[in-house]
Amino acid sequence: DTAVSQTPKYLVTQMGNDKSIKCEQNLGHDTMYWYKQDSKKFLKIMFSYNNKELIINETVPNRFSPKSPDKAHLNLHINSLELGDSAVYFCASSPKSDRRKETYEQYFGPGTRLTVT
Amino acid sequence: LAKTTQPISMDSYEGQEVNITCSHNNIATNDYITWYQQFPSQGPRFIIQGYKTKVTNEVASLFIPADRKSSTLSLPRVSLSDTAVYYCLVGDIAYSGGGADGLTFGKGTHLIIQP
Repeated sequence: DTAVSQTPKYLVTQMGNDKSIKCEQNLGHDTMYWYKQDSKKFLKIMFSYNNKELIINETVPNRFSPKSPDKAHLNLHINSLELGDSAVYFCASSPKSDRRKETYEQYFGPGTRLTVT
Repeated sequence: LAKTTQPISMDSYEGQEVNITCSHNNIATNDYITWYQQFPSQGPRFIIQGYKTKVTNEVASLFIPADRKSSTLSLPRVSLSDTAVYYCLVGDIAYSGGGADGLTFGKGTHLIIQP
């Protein structure tokens, strides 16, 4: 059973197109995230949703729009793709944080490699 | 402002114990320290988390001195399969006010294990 899954795994498209990446988790987690890992392997948080509500938006261009239809899904839609959007995009999820518990693990998906030509 | 500093790369040999140190001089009272491992073409995987002193699980140990300004991930008896990038994260795990600090991955330490 795949805990966090992403589709597609690879995505090649041309500049100016609009594309979506889907993410699903079957762990029952309340919180989901999108990260971008660029060619230098620097992993940056983009968005975080807690129970379908946006709670973190880290200075990402508004061409990127996350959508959470339910707490098990967090999709990423990208408009007017640019060359600089080429990267690996990771989805992740984690249990609801609780100060009484120390564990705060993020479970990552396999990544989607986006190439914009 | 980077919250953590790690060596860019480290080399070791199979069967050795490897210690990777992370500096976090500006750690806040509510911050926890979390380590992740990432293999090529995969997402990061949680290794261990701690607040103070020592934490041990089946994979690694985490040593945190009293001032909490640094932490050391210890991997006992490494094998070739431990070759990966290791990330140290520092932040508040409580989501209501934690923000993105606990979700900020630095450049990590590329650990290379040789036979």
